Amino acid sequence: AQSVTQLGSHVSVSEGALVLLRCNYSSSVPPYLFWYVQYPNQGLQLLLKYTSAATLVKGINGFEAEFKKSETSFHLTKPSAHMSDAAEYFCAVSDGGFKTIFGAGTRLFVKA
Amino acid sequence: DADVTQTPRNRITKTGKRIMLECSQTKGHDRMYWYRQDPGLGLQLIYYSFDVKDINKGEISDGYSVSRQAQAKFSLSLESAIPNQTALYFCATSDSASGRAGSNEQFFGPGTRLTVL
Repeated sequence: AQSVTQLGSHVSVSEGALVLLRCNYSSSVPPYLFWYVQYPNQGLQLLLKYTSAATLVKGINGFEAEFKKSETSFHLTKPSAHMSDAAEYFCAVSDGGFKTIFGAGTRLFVKA
Repeated sequence: DADVTQTPRNRITKTGKRIMLECSQTKGHDRMYWYRQDPGLGLQLIYYSFDVKDINKGEISDGYSVSRQAQAKFSLSLESAIPNQTALYFCATSDSASGRAGSNEQFFGPGTRLTVL
């Protein structure tokens, strides 16, 4: 069975500060891992994905995530937050089958 | 134009009414999904379809049914709506041909906000 835990339902940062959104997963097989972003009144869109290539994955809008097998983590970071980064972020895991398990989401607030 | 469209975008209905939510895609993907999003719960899979003749229940299919009318169309029905089906509903697609299944990203529609009074 697979599961995803996102630590913190809400995260608030100042504009220009580091963004760190935490995700831990559980999987009995090598996982595929994803981060999606949801802006208000929109569907989810892919930020980045890990598919067993490089452990440091770079995505759109300056975000990146590092796969750490020993810690079963896939945390999302961005060096400098921008107001436009305010959104809800979802971590997701798949075992290569039909199903993708989504975390509960973390809402990011960016203060001016 | 959007690749995955959903209609309607918003719907208010009453308990006991039959409701259909529609999804169309122009991405040429074979796999389609229906999810429900509730605050604090993330996305839960209702139904998924790997092609027109293959439809499968997800984790929360009770009270819902689906129809895959064509590769590009996948509709979700609530036969008799109840208030706890009030939620945001998303359709998504993925392509099984572009790499191993599971490594494929899903593409989401803009969602339908359904309120059952």
